[in-house]
Amino acid sequence: NFMLTQPHSVSESPGKTVTISCTRSSGSIASNYVHWYQQRPGSAPSIVIYEDNKRSSGVPDRFSGSIDSSSNSAALTISGLTTEDEADYYCQSYDISSLFVVFGGGTKLTVL
Amino acid sequence: EVQLVQSGVAVKKPGESLRISCEGSGYSFSSYWINWLRQRPGKGLEWLGRIDPSDSDTKYTPSFKGHVTISVDKSISTAYVQWSSLKASDTAMYYCARQYNSGPHTDFDYWGQGTLVTVSS
Repeated sequence: NFMLTQPHSVSESPGKTVTISCTRSSGSIASNYVHWYQQRPGSAPSIVIYEDNKRSSGVPDRFSGSIDSSSNSAALTISGLTTEDEADYYCQSYDISSLFVVFGGGTKLTVL
Repeated sequence: EVQLVQSGVAVKKPGESLRISCEGSGYSFSSYWINWLRQRPGKGLEWLGRIDPSDSDTKYTPSFKGHVTISVDKSISTAYVQWSSLKASDTAMYYCARQYNSGPHTDFDYWGQGTLVTVSS
């Protein structure tokens, strides 16, 4: 199995743009879809980006996803930050050989 | 409206057994796998495994295989995860999440509200 590595935390000011990375340890990031989940404090996770770059229903277009094969990473970018975006964000993919689900360790986003 | 409703808080002693549930409604239950995930206090999400309600086929991540059992009763659109002998290290929030059964590439599009399990002597 491969691992997905995320920064432990990121912080940015309201109105700015932040990018959260998710680096795959082995195998190509482009070979299996990456999904992103948001988890606000005290709540269950919810999907924000699926299949690398598709926004889930109801998610503002300030959220976008991308894949960068040169760094073997996926990225979640949030523009026009608001305090409502403060949450933990998790990337997720799967191992095609074992069919196991793999999660990144999560990134705590602070908007201050 | 799609909903996954989980059973309530569970407080148990080490060595006791436990079964928690996840009831789906508002969709074709057999068309979506049910996944179970663990989140220890202050930690990230860990995938335990999943079940296909259409045929009860299961898949477990190696670190949980043999310690938990995932099952389903599709007649009542409910999936379960159970422990025969709990440990203190099982203390966590447990989530169920559905996944369209077209393949492992699909996302977890709806989640249950979580079940808090506390194991303490």
